[in-house]
Amino acid sequence: DQQVKQNSPSLSVQEGRISILNCDYTNSMFDYFLWYKKYPAEGPTFLISISSIKDKNEDGRFTVFLNKSAKHLSLHIVPSQPGDSAVYFCAARLSYNTDKLIFGTGTRLQVFP
Amino acid sequence: DAGVTQSPTHLIKTRGQQVTLRCSPKSGHDTVSWYQQALGQGPQFIFQYYEEEERQRGNFPDRFSGHQFPNYSSELNVNALLLGDSALYLCASSLILDEQFFGPGTRLTVL
Repeated sequence: DQQVKQNSPSLSVQEGRISILNCDYTNSMFDYFLWYKKYPAEGPTFLISISSIKDKNEDGRFTVFLNKSAKHLSLHIVPSQPGDSAVYFCAARLSYNTDKLIFGTGTRLQVFP
Repeated sequence: DAGVTQSPTHLIKTRGQQVTLRCSPKSGHDTVSWYQQALGQGPQFIFQYYEEEERQRGNFPDRFSGHQFPNYSSELNVNALLLGDSALYLCASSLILDEQFFGPGTRLTVL
């Protein structure tokens, strides 16, 4: 049972344009959502997060939007840069007293000049 | 300040063998979580160690076991290896209930 889904395996965007990565989830009890970025031969690195009580969180070029009624979140990268090319994972946490993260399958973003 | 380190980087085993993977947490961290990332999938939570005890466990069989040492480093042991155990094994360290920092992983291939 895939509780966190990233239905787009890959995305290609031109440098300077907006990248939008999507994530859907099925468990309404998730209270915290995170985005991780992963380069080859490296572990995932934390990018940005959002609590379930908010609908938007912004950090520089990265913004995460949460739509609880649709059980959907998205990561916006503006403007996209070639260094953003990586695999992006959406992850969710079930409750405040657990560190267990449930990851999606990832979206490979390629930013071309 | 060294981040999370894992050893070995790569490992090749045959079916039925046993394997031990090692993780050293980031300085100051006391909690270690292990994840399995199969090809084309996202990381899956195996278990977490805090204060040398298994604090939480994911949906993995008992063939997967672990240990945490007094210096907070950790080992993941897998017995009776199956072909399906081939994956990237990621270790993440943190303070309890805080941001997790991942190591580069150990690539295990079971033949």
